[in-house]
Amino acid sequence: GQNIDQPTEMTATEGAIVQINCTYQTSGFNGLFWYQQHAGEAPTFLSYNVLDGLEEKGRFSSFLSRSKGYSYLLLKELQMKDSASYLCAVSNSNYQLIWGAGTKLIIKP
Amino acid sequence: ETGVTQTPRHLVMGMTNKKSLKCEQHLGHNAMYWYKQSAKKPLELMFVYNFKEQTENNSVPSRFSPECPNSSHLFLHLHTLQPEDSALYLCASSQDSSGIYNEQFFGPGTRLTVL
Repeated sequence: GQNIDQPTEMTATEGAIVQINCTYQTSGFNGLFWYQQHAGEAPTFLSYNVLDGLEEKGRFSSFLSRSKGYSYLLLKELQMKDSASYLCAVSNSNYQLIWGAGTKLIIKP
Repeated sequence: ETGVTQTPRHLVMGMTNKKSLKCEQHLGHNAMYWYKQSAKKPLELMFVYNFKEQTENNSVPSRFSPECPNSSHLFLHLHTLQPEDSALYLCASSQDSSGIYNEQFFGPGTRLTVL
């Protein structure tokens, strides 16, 4: 089967750095997406990785290792507004997005 | 604002009711999706439409019936639902459902409660 694994919940401190991991097993691979979803709101796009390596976008970075079936999202200089769920999704051989259950990130002052 | 709107935002219905969810996208996309989101579970893809043609039906019960009259509008017709159908129903759109880069844009969802 196809599955995406990510931690259910993480807690971090304002101003700190947090890394959210995602491992995947899918039929084919056409890229990995990270989305952010605040409670009661729509998921919004954060990043896309299709080649190995690190993609940096401001305070957020995303890393991919295709050989290991692994990605992480790195959030720096955490702010209270970063409290949200972070969803990992992989585009498989049919270009269908396979989703993880999301990681709820709690930021404490 | 993501360019995808959904109505209603909240819906409470009995098991014998018939209701419809509406989604509209203002992004000029050609693909539209219905997802079900339950607490602590991955997003479940229900239906995909590409250029108004249904390309995916992920073994969804017949009490859910989609309709896509044009590339900008998508409906989900509901009838004789079960309490376990209570969830957040998300609509999304993308440029094309078969492209290698398939960023999807989501609406805010309809919170459905079946009594």
